[in-house]
Amino acid sequence: DQQVKQNSPSLSVQEGRISILNCDYTNSMFDYFLWYKKYPAEGPTFLISISSIKDKNEDGRFTVFLNKSAKHLSLHIVPSQPGDSAVYFCAANQGGSEKLVFGKGTKLTVNP
Amino acid sequence: NAGVTQTPKFRVLKTGQSMTLLCAQDMNHEYMYWYRQDPGMGLRLIHYSVGEGTTAKGEVPDGYNVSRLKKQNFLLGLESAAPSQTSVYFCASSLIRVGSAGELFFGEGSRLTVL
Repeated sequence: DQQVKQNSPSLSVQEGRISILNCDYTNSMFDYFLWYKKYPAEGPTFLISISSIKDKNEDGRFTVFLNKSAKHLSLHIVPSQPGDSAVYFCAANQGGSEKLVFGKGTKLTVNP
Repeated sequence: NAGVTQTPKFRVLKTGQSMTLLCAQDMNHEYMYWYRQDPGMGLRLIHYSVGEGTTAKGEVPDGYNVSRLKKQNFLLGLESAAPSQTSVYFCASSLIRVGSAGELFFGEGSRLTVL
C-alpha cells in the first residue's frame, strides 16, 4: 500500500533543458510535501518543499507544483545541469505528524 | 560543522549476531529518526524519537530496538541479525516537527550486510 508513488524509476535529459520529476499520492490527508536529492554514498539532502495551501513554490532553478485535486506534484529543474544528476525522493507529511512518507525515488541523469 | 554522524559506516555481520548503530547530532534537534533504504523500496521509517527518553515505532520496526538516553544520540540495535536486515541505514534529525514545515537532516548512511 504505497501512499507516495514515483512511477518513473529513471529520467534522462540534456544539459540546459528542463527536467520534470513526478510524484503521485493517495492519502488526501497529506498537507506538506518535500523533495530530497541523494547522491551515491551520501545521505539525502533537502531540496524544496510546499504546503497544501499553495500550488507553487520556487527556489532558484527548482520549482515544485502541487495539484491537490489530482493528488499530484512535480519538481521542475530549469535549466538542468550535470551536477543535478542524482536520485530524487518525493516525501509527504500528514497533518502535523512527526513522520515523512517517502516515494521510491527517480534517478535523474543530466547529460552534458 | 558535523551535523548528523553515523557510526559505523560499514559492517558485516553473521546471522544471529547483534550490533548497535550510533547516530549523533550536534544541532540540538528534538526529533530523530532511523530509516532503511533498500533497492527499489525508497526510504522506510524504522523507529523515531520526539525527544530525549522517548521512542516510537515507524513503518518497519520488527527486529530492531532503539534508545534515546541523551538528546544528541539515537541508537539502533539489532539483537539477532537476519539477512533481511541487509540494507543501508540512515539516521535523520529535525529541529521541529516535520509537519510544522520542518525538514530532515540526514547522516551519510551505514551499510550493513548480514551473511
